[in-house]
Amino acid sequence: ETGVTQSPTHLIKTRGQQVTLRCSSQSGHNTVSWYQQALGQGPQFIFQYYREEENGRGNFPPRFSGLQFPNYSSELNVNALELDDSALYLCASSRTGSSYNSPLHFGNGTRLTVT
Amino acid sequence: GNSVTQMEGPVTLSEEAFLTINCTYTATGYPSLFWYVQYPGEGLQLLLKATKADDKGSNKGFEATYRKETTSFHLEKGSVQVSDSAVYFCALSYNAGNNRKLIWGLGTSLAVNP
Repeated sequence: ETGVTQSPTHLIKTRGQQVTLRCSSQSGHNTVSWYQQALGQGPQFIFQYYREEENGRGNFPPRFSGLQFPNYSSELNVNALELDDSALYLCASSRTGSSYNSPLHFGNGTRLTVT
Repeated sequence: GNSVTQMEGPVTLSEEAFLTINCTYTATGYPSLFWYVQYPGEGLQLLLKATKADDKGSNKGFEATYRKETTSFHLEKGSVQVSDSAVYFCALSYNAGNNRKLIWGLGTSLAVNP
């Protein structure tokens, strides 16, 4: 069983630039969630994708956007990067879109540094 | 609203000591409860879960019991090892309409010394 994989592992960008982070979900999982984790903090929910549509969003501005593809992989795009966007971005997959019993399986994250 | 409160860290223990990390929650309905662990430089891993009152989740020597009467889900381990050094997150999951909501505690850092 292949776990959740994220790429790249590390990234350095300049303020104002755009970035795309990628995630391949665990096999058999059709739901992908993205989280932002600042240093020393817990994860903050960005949004969730199920059947290629966003079906839940946290308190993040529209410059955070995403996609889910037919193979359930996903992208997180962030436009107009700000210094505060520096964080670990975590992707998590699960089996069904609305089941609150199914646990999340996380990738190791992408460490984004904005200078 | 729903919330999770976790004891603040850091927690520092000697190897083979007993561990308790407190987690309490407020929620309407019947949420599921989880403990996740984050080792240095890695993503979060599910440690254990409980989906209804009185359920006990257990894994790798860790245990937590879903106590509805005290709205708690404390994490315990009888004898910690150096390899248990990590950050531990308590989380609550519930359905809000067609969406699943997951609420996280702030995390508790554990350092185990040899």
